[in-house]
Amino acid sequence: DGGITQSPKYLFRKEGQNVTLSCEQNLNHDAMYWYRQDPGQGLRLIYYSQIVNDFQKGDIAEGYSVSREKKESFPLTVTSAQKNPTAFYLCAIPQGRGTGELFFGEGSRLTVL
Amino acid sequence: AQTVTQSQPEMSVQEAETVTLSCTYDTSESDYYLFWYKQPPSRQMILVIRQEAYKQQNATENRFSVNFQKAAKSFSLKISDSQLGDAAMYFCAVPERGQGNLIFGKGTKLSVKP
Repeated sequence: DGGITQSPKYLFRKEGQNVTLSCEQNLNHDAMYWYRQDPGQGLRLIYYSQIVNDFQKGDIAEGYSVSREKKESFPLTVTSAQKNPTAFYLCAIPQGRGTGELFFGEGSRLTVL
Repeated sequence: AQTVTQSQPEMSVQEAETVTLSCTYDTSESDYYLFWYKQPPSRQMILVIRQEAYKQQNATENRFSVNFQKAAKSFSLKISDSQLGDAAMYFCAVPERGQGNLIFGKGTKLSVKP
């Protein structure tokens, strides 16, 4: 089944703990993106990677870290430095040739208790 | 910097009626695409419609159509014959130059009344 898979769908963690969200794709895309969604805020870019072993900060990268060791994987770590980590996190890959269209995973809901 | 503004946080429509969601944007690009995404309660982001800026003809996908005014940088979404399944958050988006990501508006929550 081709596409993009995010896991886990729901995650609960205690304050101060690091959490890693998984994003895997099997469509052989070079680029991958992480967004955060809060109520009333739309989607905001956290990090993106346009090629293996390289990634760039987005608009709200503070308190997050990523890696891109394999083309198919782009995990996001929410660190204890993120002041308000409770949110919905979406991973995306390009769809369409050069249009800018993105195809999204189903998302991960992180709740910090 | 590119921006996307959706001025209607919430909208409501009667089933079978027509509703229009507004979006304005700012970009320095001359050739670009514009997008409307739907996010139902499942929270899966689904592409509703795309518009190529160099095409004067407004895009249409079944009951969904856009009113694209390039000079005014306006990109509204019209939903005809609204159905209960159209209830969702709707986001307008424009590509960010050089990065491949999309910049999103804050969304419009659409309710459909039976």
